[in-house]
Amino acid sequence: DTAVSQTPKYLVTQMGNDKSIKCEQNLGHDTMYWYKQDSKKFLKIMFSYNNKELIINETVPNRFSPKSPDKAHLNLHINSLELGDSAVYFCASSQIWLAGDTGELFFGEGSRLTVL
Amino acid sequence: QQQVKQSPQSLIVQKGGISIINCAYENTAFDYFPWYQQFPGKGPALLIAIRPDVSEKKEGRFTISFNKSAKQFSLHIMDSQPGDSATYFCAATLNTGFQKLVFGTGTRLLVSP
Repeated sequence: DTAVSQTPKYLVTQMGNDKSIKCEQNLGHDTMYWYKQDSKKFLKIMFSYNNKELIINETVPNRFSPKSPDKAHLNLHINSLELGDSAVYFCASSQIWLAGDTGELFFGEGSRLTVL
Repeated sequence: QQQVKQSPQSLIVQKGGISIINCAYENTAFDYFPWYQQFPGKGPALLIAIRPDVSEKKEGRFTISFNKSAKQFSLHIMDSQPGDSATYFCAATLNTGFQKLVFGTGTRLLVSP
């Protein structure tokens, strides 16, 4: 069974379009994340939700809107896509991870977005 | 101050050799330092991690060395194998609030047969 699954795996679209990526985890974790990996492989956190509540919101254009309908799902909607949005987007999950804890992120396989 | 600097960018090692990847940080509020391994087409996966109260942690062929005073830590892969060929990321988290990983820039390791 896939622990963290994302759909779609590949997404090719035109500039200006709106697209969504869906993520589901079956690990029973209460915290989910979106990370962006650019063409140079750099990984940067975008958002984190704990029990459907937004807890981390990095400096991300407001064209990106995460939504968590329940603690097992975290979707990412992107409006008015730009060339610079082309990247691999990774969903991840963990148990709530506070200062002093040791935690592990479980990543999905990524969704490669190409904006033409 | 929230950056983690990683080197080298790429590394080629012969089978059986030792692979060494280095990371450095500035923010002394970082208190947990994991390494993640990423194979092509896959997400990163936790490999090994250390807290700054110990100077070394070993798991099988993988060892983290940690130098708190120098604010540096490194991953050593002993007896490197072709199956170790992957991208390796060091990372760090802060000792306050909800945790988020700050990743290094990654090292692409190729172990030649």
